[in-house]
Amino acid sequence: DAKTTQPPSMDCAEGRAANLPCNHSTISGNEYVYWYRQIHSQGPQYIIHGLKNNETNEMASLIITEDRKSSTLILPHATLRDTAVYYCIVRVGSSGSARQLTFGSGTQLTVLP
Amino acid sequence: DTAVSQTPKYLVTQMGNDKSIKCEQNLGHDTMYWYKQDSKKFLKIMFSYNNKELIINETVPNRFSPKSPDKAHLNLHINSLELGDSAVYFCASSRTGGNSPLHFGNGTRLTVT
Repeated sequence: DAKTTQPPSMDCAEGRAANLPCNHSTISGNEYVYWYRQIHSQGPQYIIHGLKNNETNEMASLIITEDRKSSTLILPHATLRDTAVYYCIVRVGSSGSARQLTFGSGTQLTVLP
Repeated sequence: DTAVSQTPKYLVTQMGNDKSIKCEQNLGHDTMYWYKQDSKKFLKIMFSYNNKELIINETVPNRFSPKSPDKAHLNLHINSLELGDSAVYFCASSRTGGNSPLHFGNGTRLTVT
């Protein structure tokens, strides 16, 4: 699976949009981009994933560049409860057995009041 | 509630002891995983089971033995515990194949003294 690069930390004001970048310049054509987050003392929580089209769900939006070498996770109206470590992961989506996710060091997002 | 649940949440034990961590999921998933998160917060895959069969076994000491009595359970047994085994262990599950996201438990914090 391709490696990802994320900034180690970011701050965001409460109520504003949080834009978390991720570089995955070695991503291959069949690799998906996944985002998870881990709130302190909890297990990682799935947020969203995509292949090449932008995606949106009730938690966030995922913007993937046309060349797929980078992506941005957008939390449209950050709250204090969004303070967490955010992990960007690229992984092959297979039709057979599930593949493991390899987590990097992630971005510590701190939402400030 | 539908979830991945692990017991115990905290486990403190002495070196040389044998201990088990239990994991159950009621999401109807057929693939389960064990991850280890060390003091530097890196999450590493240890094992993956699909329909009670081992499909991923990373370079984990053979003191660690997963047991899957059925699709909904994946227990982790650790023999002869060592200080370096101290970590948070996360169980996860997913549907097989495709782009199914992982659902994680809230972890078991193991402290070996």
